[in-house]
Amino acid sequence: GAGVSQSPRYKVTKRGQDVTLRCDPISSHATLYWYQQALGQGPEFLTYFNYEAQPDKSGLPSDRFSAERPEGSISTLTIQRTEQRDSAMYRCASSFRDRVSTNEKLFFGSGTQLSVL
Amino acid sequence: AQSVTQPDIHITVSEGASLELRCNYSYGATPYLFWYVQSPGQGLQLLLKYFSGDTLVQGIKGFEAEFKRSQSSFNLRKPSVHWSDAAEYFCAVGPQSYNKLIFGAGTRLAVHP
Repeated sequence: GAGVSQSPRYKVTKRGQDVTLRCDPISSHATLYWYQQALGQGPEFLTYFNYEAQPDKSGLPSDRFSAERPEGSISTLTIQRTEQRDSAMYRCASSFRDRVSTNEKLFFGSGTQLSVL
Repeated sequence: AQSVTQPDIHITVSEGASLELRCNYSYGATPYLFWYVQSPGQGLQLLLKYFSGDTLVQGIKGFEAEFKRSQSSFNLRKPSVHWSDAAEYFCAVGPQSYNKLIFGAGTRLAVHP
């Protein structure tokens, strides 16, 4: 697609429910990133994919968080048994390849705002 | 510890005035440095980045930033601010390998007419 697309734009859920967030990256992009942005803070790295491989998931806060990218394109982030502290903006980003260089950049989606009541 | 500090949470400037947003970082290895801008309802957009070479880098929308290794700083500047520059600005640092970025908390810029 023309840009990174995330859905839903807003998600309100009750504590204890599971939620799944979706990211559709730019079609030619090999790498996909998930960031979590709490109110008043900068984004924090959660995990990233290089095609379907997930080389780094060190930023996932707990085992309630998981991410998939089974075919190397669309990715989902699932939060099980949500807690109020999970409320945040979840941002997806993609880039052409996994090597940071002068000739490429990270493209961010508009994010999914998650509210856990 | 690796971190990015943006000392100013809010800054207000008049349209046409100059702007400088401060950023200090702590990073063990040679860092790649970035400035991103976030407008309401939008994703983050890259303004500029520093990898190596000339320490003064030019970005989009008339922004520039200067890397000062001795001060661990990467301040963002613009000679003349436009009302459309009102947004939140994030400084970030990351490794050379992939975009595992550490962001500062951001500086919110307001522009008076």
